[in-house]
Amino acid sequence: QVQLQQSGPGLVKPSQTLSLTCAISGDSVSSNSAAWNWIRQSPSRGLEWLGRTYYRSKWYNDYAASVKSRITINPDTSKNQFSLQLNSVTPEDTAVYYCARGGYGGNSRLFDYWGQGTLVTVSS
Amino acid sequence: EIVLTQSPDTLSLSPGERATLSCRASQSVSSTYLAWYQQKPGQAPRLLIYGASSRATGIPDRFSGSGSGTDFTLTISRLEPEDFAVYFCQQYGSSPYTFGQGTKLEIK
Repeated sequence: QVQLQQSGPGLVKPSQTLSLTCAISGDSVSSNSAAWNWIRQSPSRGLEWLGRTYYRSKWYNDYAASVKSRITINPDTSKNQFSLQLNSVTPEDTAVYYCARGGYGGNSRLFDYWGQGTLVTVSS
Repeated sequence: EIVLTQSPDTLSLSPGERATLSCRASQSVSSTYLAWYQQKPGQAPRLLIYGASSRATGIPDRFSGSGSGTDFTLTISRLEPEDFAVYFCQQYGSSPYTFGQGTKLEIK
């Protein structure tokens, strides 16, 4: 059974960097069939896929254009986890952030396991 | 980017009734890469349907999906009390992987 455990601060000041981590159990961040995603949800923007990291003989990243200039998703193989960094945040970035595995039935774009969600508020 | 529009925004029905939820895409979804998720308050979304019509593991057969191209439907044949939730469609054929705005299924 795959489990994803999120950690990170719930309050970030405007212009600073939002940082979250997702620890994986029951699978490997270096899996050759899965991808590791960050998705957020807010009343104004709904569910928004932000990006993913995945390993296919080497590491790849894929980011949504809406955040591409501000986002970094990194794997940490030593801890079997992956992280999200979102720079220069504004109140518009206030949302519940989820990590999710893409991997149902071997399809890395189907989200089958999700973290518990972290409400991140951007406010001074 | 493929924009998904769901209708209606809210659907009020009684247990035992049939629910029909719609998802329309701004352009054709390749290879029927369309999924449906259910979300209950305080929980993450749960995968119900993938490939437009295949049920995920453990999903009851009262849930069914259909459609292709730009028009997709999720049908719940006989509503159970636990089915009242928000439902989202998602396309995973091309990046960015976008979601619809959701349909809230509420008890009448």
